[in-house]
Amino acid sequence: EAQVTQNPRYLITVTGKKLTVTCSQNMNHEYMSWYRQDPGLGLRQIYYSMNVEVTDKGDVPEGYKVSRKEKRNFPLILESPSPNQTSLYFCASSPHITGGGTDTQYFGPGTRLTVL
Amino acid sequence: GNSVTQMEGPVTLSEEAFLTINCTYTATGYPSLFWYVQYPGEGLQLLLKATKADDKGSNKGFEATYRKETTSFHLEKGSVQVSDSAVYFCALRHTGNQFYFGTGTSLTVIP
Repeated sequence: EAQVTQNPRYLITVTGKKLTVTCSQNMNHEYMSWYRQDPGLGLRQIYYSMNVEVTDKGDVPEGYKVSRKEKRNFPLILESPSPNQTSLYFCASSPHITGGGTDTQYFGPGTRLTVL
Repeated sequence: GNSVTQMEGPVTLSEEAFLTINCTYTATGYPSLFWYVQYPGEGLQLLLKATKADDKGSNKGFEATYRKETTSFHLEKGSVQVSDSAVYFCALRHTGNQFYFGTGTSLTVIP
């Protein structure tokens, strides 16, 4: 089954304790992205990656890191989480389209993170 | 900069009513426009899209037309069902491959 998976689905942690949320896709997509969803703010893009070893900042990259060492994986790293990073996080992937760029995104089920 | 503005919710409709959710955008260049739907407890799913001016996206009875003159991409459905209850997001893809989403509009359809 074609899908985007995220782990963990739920996480409660404390301020300053490093954590990683994994994201994996089995569709051979070039494009991957991380979003956070907050009430009243919708989805905001954190980072995206057009391909292996290529990453770019989205709208809200502060406090986050990503890496893209393999095509299928795109982990989100919080080196020192803070309470304002409490949110619902979504990973997404997308194939390139003819002529360049990307198009329809396929989303994972989400990771609900609480930082105390 | 680039941004998407969609109508505030929540929206409550009776079954078989007509639905309109307004979406306007600000963007440089020629963005692609999307509507995504999020059912409770799930990730977002693409509902429809349009990649150039005057294109009409359609799926499952929903439609939206890319209007460059009014910078709008309003979502419509002629007769909603209870199963359409969800949160709807308007989004644009900037030519630089960055995505911008609206704040979402919650729709509840009552029998």
